[in-house]
Amino acid sequence: NAGVTQTPKFQVLKTGQSMTLQCAQDMNHNSMYWYRQDPGMGLRLIYYSASEGTTDKGEVPNGYNVSRLNKREFSLRLESAAPSQTSVYFCASSLRGYGYTFGSGTRLTVV
Amino acid sequence: QQQVKQSPQSLIVQKGGISIINCAYENTAFDYFPWYQQFPGKGPALLIAIRPDVSEKKEGRFTISFNKSAKQFSLHIMDSQPGDSATYFCAARRDGGGSNYKLTFGKGTLLTVNP
Repeated sequence: NAGVTQTPKFQVLKTGQSMTLQCAQDMNHNSMYWYRQDPGMGLRLIYYSASEGTTDKGEVPNGYNVSRLNKREFSLRLESAAPSQTSVYFCASSLRGYGYTFGSGTRLTVV
Repeated sequence: QQQVKQSPQSLIVQKGGISIINCAYENTAFDYFPWYQQFPGKGPALLIAIRPDVSEKKEGRFTISFNKSAKQFSLHIMDSQPGDSATYFCAARRDGGGSNYKLTFGKGTLLTVNP
């Protein structure tokens, strides 16, 4: 099925641990995005990649890094997880900003 | 700075009623206005979208009304059903140049439709 695939779906980390969230899309979209969703805060952009080979900071980039591995894959890395990073993370892709397609999310808890 | 303001934060409607969610924006460079629907445990999914040269767009029971001069747009759900219970996000697209396109999202409205 065409779409955006995120792994893992759930993760529990201890404070200070690192992890990488994986995202892949098979719709030949140029742009990819990472959002976090917290209650009452809506969807906040962490990082985005307008095209292969480029990445830019979004609204809340602190504590995160990203890699646009190729046109299909865009990963998000937490180098030293903090409880404030407990959230639901969504990856999305789009063709020129129209009709974002979102993945099903990664529910991350940092204890 | 919140560029897209969405209201209300939550909404309760009886089955068969009309649900109305409003959004206001500030940046006149926005050129595309989608609405997303999100069910619990799922990612947001595109519901309906409009461009600023159109004042209204209807798809089934869902209608977007757009007021360019007021910089406001709204989602109307006619004959609301319990299956419409979800969180709804409005958004606005901006062309940042060089293939740099981003959506700015409202904070969401939790809609509950009672049977």
